[in-house]
Amino acid sequence: DVKVTQSSRYLVKRTGEKVFLECVQDMDHENMFWYRQDPGLGLRLIYFSYDVKMKEKGDIPEGYSVSREKKERFSLILESASTNQTSMYLCASRTHTKDQGNTEAFFGQGTRLTVV
Amino acid sequence: AQSVTQPDIHITVSEGASLELRCNYSYGATPYLFWYVQSPGQGLQLLLKYFSGDTLVQGIKGFEAEFKRSQSSFNLRKPSVHWSDAAEYFCAVAPGYSSASKIIFGSGTRLSIRP
Repeated sequence: DVKVTQSSRYLVKRTGEKVFLECVQDMDHENMFWYRQDPGLGLRLIYFSYDVKMKEKGDIPEGYSVSREKKERFSLILESASTNQTSMYLCASRTHTKDQGNTEAFFGQGTRLTVV
Repeated sequence: AQSVTQPDIHITVSEGASLELRCNYSYGATPYLFWYVQSPGQGLQLLLKYFSGDTLVQGIKGFEAEFKRSQSSFNLRKPSVHWSDAAEYFCAVAPGYSSASKIIFGSGTRLSIRP
């Protein structure tokens, strides 16, 4: 089974702190994604990466950055946490096959971040 | 730009009744389409997906969905719901064969089951 692991289920951070959210997948997937989930807004894409050291902005990248130094690991960084970044953060990974193109995304359990 | 619309924010159905959750997408070509379910406190689980071929696709837990190109829709159905189906349901769309494509999700539909 594909496993996507997020380092923390719950985090509480102070305003202005630099926050790192870590995600690791064990299936050699090329694509990895960071979403935030808020009630009534669904999942909004923050950043995604299609290869090591490659990244593209999603729909809401402001206030975030990402790092992908190794294929299996994709980190989301909040440079200076603010209260409006309190949310559920979901990491996902996906492969791209020659025959089927893109497959579905596999998700981690999520990190609920509270910024106080 | 691609987008997904789930017009129903919250639906309540009686246990044993049939269910249909609506999903409309906007994309230039035939996209890849997905339905996910999220139970409280859980991550997202894939229910079913459509890439090509038969427009009626079967998924897990007795769910099915029908792709209708003319209506840009991919509605999710279940003939008889169970109390355990109470959850949030997300429709998602992705372009096809680009290896660097993103998946876009709808805003979700929360399903409640009336005993």
